[in-house]
Amino acid sequence: NAGVTQTPKFQVLKTGQSMTLQCAQDMNHNSMYWYRQDPGMGLRLIYYSASEGTTDKGEVPNGYNVSRLNKREFSLRLESAAPSQTSVYFCASSASRNSPLHFGNGTRLTVT
Amino acid sequence: AQSVTQLDSQVPVFEEAPVELRCNYSSSVSVYLFWYVQYPNQGLQLLLKYLSGSTLVKGINGFEAEFNKSQTSFHLRKPSVHISDTAEYFCAVWFNQAGTALIFGKGTTLSVSS
Repeated sequence: NAGVTQTPKFQVLKTGQSMTLQCAQDMNHNSMYWYRQDPGMGLRLIYYSASEGTTDKGEVPNGYNVSRLNKREFSLRLESAAPSQTSVYFCASSASRNSPLHFGNGTRLTVT
Repeated sequence: AQSVTQLDSQVPVFEEAPVELRCNYSSSVSVYLFWYVQYPNQGLQLLLKYLSGSTLVKGINGFEAEFNKSQTSFHLRKPSVHISDTAEYFCAVWFNQAGTALIFGKGTTLSVSS
C-alpha cells in the first residue's frame, strides 16, 4: 500500500525554468493538497482540490498552477521558477476536507 | 482570517521529563483539531485528532491532547519523553467554513537529550 507518492524527490532548477511535480494517491481519497514547507514558516497551502474536477487557491498560490488529472493524481506546475520557490513541497490527500491528511515524503526543490 | 499559533518554536527537554507543546487558534466557528509529527527528512504523520466527543484525546507514542473550547487551545502533552520523540510537531486546524482547508501552525521543534 503506497499511500501518497511524490516524484521527483529532489530537483535543482535554474531561474526561469519550468517543471511539474507529480503526486498520486491510491487510497481513493476525494481531496488532494499541495503545501510548501519553509524553515520557521510551517506548512503553507498552495492549492487544493476538494474533489475531482475542482481546484482552489490556498494561502500562497502565486507562481504555481495545478491540475487534478483524475481522482488519483494532482500535479503542481512551476511555469517560471524563482529562487523564492526554493522549498520542500508536500502533497497530501484526505477522504474529505475535514478528514486527517495523508502526506507524501516530499520534493526538495532548489532554484538557483 | 483564521490562524493557528504554536507558542513555542523550540522546546528542549531531558529524557523522561514531561512535556507540553502549546497550540492556540482563532475561531468563531466549529473546528476539527490535529497534531502531526515530522521526523527528520520525512513527511508528516498523524499523532492524534479531535473531531467531537471527549475533549481529552489519546494518540500514538503515548501523546495526548486536550481541547479547550473556551481558551481555543489544543495543547499536546506527554508524561515522559524519550530520545526518539525528538522531531518537529505541527498543530493543524480545520475551520468549519466554506472554502477552507487544513491550516498548520509554524511548528515546534522538540529536542530530547539524555
